Amino acid sequence: DTAVSQTPKYLVTQMGNDKSIKCEQNLGHDTMYWYKQDSKKFLKIMFSYNNKELIINETVPNRFSPKSPDKAHLNLHINSLELGDSAVYFCASSQAQGGTFYEQYFGPGTRLTVT
Amino acid sequence: EDQVTQSPEALRLQEGESSSLNCSYTVSGLRGLFWYRQDPGKGPEFLFTLYSAGEEKEKERLKATLTKKESFLHITAPKPEDSATYLCAVQARGGYNKLIFGAGTRLAVHP
Repeated sequence: DTAVSQTPKYLVTQMGNDKSIKCEQNLGHDTMYWYKQDSKKFLKIMFSYNNKELIINETVPNRFSPKSPDKAHLNLHINSLELGDSAVYFCASSQAQGGTFYEQYFGPGTRLTVT
Repeated sequence: EDQVTQSPEALRLQEGESSSLNCSYTVSGLRGLFWYRQDPGKGPEFLFTLYSAGEEKEKERLKATLTKKESFLHITAPKPEDSATYLCAVQARGGYNKLIFGAGTRLAVHP
């Protein structure tokens, strides 16, 4: 049983294209996240949704648009891809209760390569 | 500005040679400190959460400790399968569950 899954695992595309990455979690969590891990391996948060509401929106180009159709799914759409978008994108989920957010569980990542 | 610094960047150990990894942090009110393990090509795997100074958590050969300024991940008698990158992250008060990660320590354990 995969707790947090992402598709696709690899994505190779050309500059200017539009692409989407999908994420699903079966842990029953109510909060989901998108992180970007660059070539230096730094993990940086991009977005977070709690019960389908956007709660974290870091300084990210507006070419990136997250969408959460329900609590178990969080997708990331990227318009007009640029070379600098090449990275590994991780989805994560956690449970929030009484204002406390617990540990986050990560998916396997999607390696995006823009040529 | 909230910040997390991990040291060393890389550590090479012989099997059975115990050591410690450091995570020092500057945060406006710590809500929690998290340790993760990341294997090449995989997502981070949750290890521990520490909430207050003096707290300790253990799992197999790993033990995490927390002070008001830093956390240590002690590895006792490591085995080659402990080789991975260990990531430290902090969650500050006053916001949602925004984790600020350090750059990680790449650990290699040789037989």
